[in-house]
Amino acid sequence: GAVVSQHPSWVICKSGTSVKIECRSLDFQATTMFWYRQFPKQSLMLMATSNEGSKATYEQGVEKDKFLINHASLTLSTLTVTSAHPEDSSFYICSARVPGSNQPQHFGDGTRLSIL
Amino acid sequence: AQSVTQPDIHITVSEGASLELRCNYSYGATPYLFWYVQSPGQGLQLLLKYFSGDTLVQGIKGFEAEFKRSQSSFNLRKPSVHWSDAAEYFCAVGAVAGGGNKLTFGTGTQLKVEL
Repeated sequence: GAVVSQHPSWVICKSGTSVKIECRSLDFQATTMFWYRQFPKQSLMLMATSNEGSKATYEQGVEKDKFLINHASLTLSTLTVTSAHPEDSSFYICSARVPGSNQPQHFGDGTRLSIL
Repeated sequence: AQSVTQPDIHITVSEGASLELRCNYSYGATPYLFWYVQSPGQGLQLLLKYFSGDTLVQGIKGFEAEFKRSQSSFNLRKPSVHWSDAAEYFCAVGAVAGGGNKLTFGTGTQLKVEL
């Protein structure tokens, strides 16, 4: 149980385009999902917390207009990287937590984004 | 603010040998603690978690970790390492307030297993 699916797994696109990444909880409903960014050989940095039916909460230093988050249903959150540039190239990972107390976050397999 | 330190960037062990990966945390109260494993190009898989109760926690794949409040540590152990255990290991701390939602990760330890 507690499977999180992320799509696509790999994206290569030209500079200036917008890219949408989907994060789905397959076998549970997630009122809260999380988006992380991971640079090569580094740890995960929380970008934002996605709340179903309300605005996402962004971490300090993360541009809200650059990284648009939508959590329209209890099983789907999307991250859109708008007008992507080479410096946005990274590994993006989402996670979701099963509702209730004492539940860990479960992670998707990540999306490798490469901006040319 | 919460923080996690994983002192060892790389560790190499022989297959069949025992393993201990170190993790120290900083948090004002009893935290939620986690160990995740990441294979190259993949997401993170939860190995084990500590919320409360027994300080020795058993996880998947034969891993265990012990919460030591006096040392602010949550070290990961395995008695006999398998070649398939080679991966990146992340320790994370979650604030109790908010149900452990906000995770702070350590910088990771890269485990290499020699056959």
